[in-house]
Amino acid sequence: DAGVTQSPTHLIKTRGQQVTLRCSPKSGHDTVSWYQQALGQGPQFIFQYYEEEERQRGNFPDRFSGHQFPNYSSELNVNALLLGDSALYLCASSLASRGRYEQFFGPGTRLTVL
Amino acid sequence: GENVEQHPSTLSVQEGDSAVIKCTYSDSASNYFPWYKQELGKGPQLIIDIRSNVGEKKDQRIAVTLNKTAKHFSLHITETQPEDSAVYFCAASTQTGTYKYIFGTGTRLKVLA
Repeated sequence: DAGVTQSPTHLIKTRGQQVTLRCSPKSGHDTVSWYQQALGQGPQFIFQYYEEEERQRGNFPDRFSGHQFPNYSSELNVNALLLGDSALYLCASSLASRGRYEQFFGPGTRLTVL
Repeated sequence: GENVEQHPSTLSVQEGDSAVIKCTYSDSASNYFPWYKQELGKGPQLIIDIRSNVGEKKDQRIAVTLNKTAKHFSLHITETQPEDSAVYFCAASTQTGTYKYIFGTGTRLKVLA
């Protein structure tokens, strides 16, 4: 049973660039949440996708956007990168349609903005 | 606003001793409390969770207790082993349609052999 996968593993960008991160949920899961984890901090909720729509958004600017595809995989896009966007970006999947709210995390994508 | 406080930030114990990590949440509507273990270079791994209709839950050497009145919940690890060394995060969630997790700031646990 494949767990949550994310790509790429690491990414280096410069300020002002745009980045796309990808996530495939655990087999059978239908909901994807994205979190940002700064060094030494707990993960912070960015947004959650269910049925290809953004269901809730955390306290992040519009530069952060996402998408969910019919196969439940998801992308996180960040525009106009800032140095402060350097972090580990985590994707978590769950099976909300069956009332199962446990979230299972992928290994993350380490984004460095120079 | 929603907030989860976690203490201590670092914890060192001798192998075989117990470790306790405590969290306090602010949103009284929170009703689901998972705990995650994060090893270096990996994503958080769910190790145990508890729902608000239960006061305590145990899984082998790991237990979680919840005091809804005080808005406290704690992780207890008994008979600690070197492989328990990691960063542990508590989280709180209000499962009323949104399911986002609010995480604590983490506890770095070191088990000394």
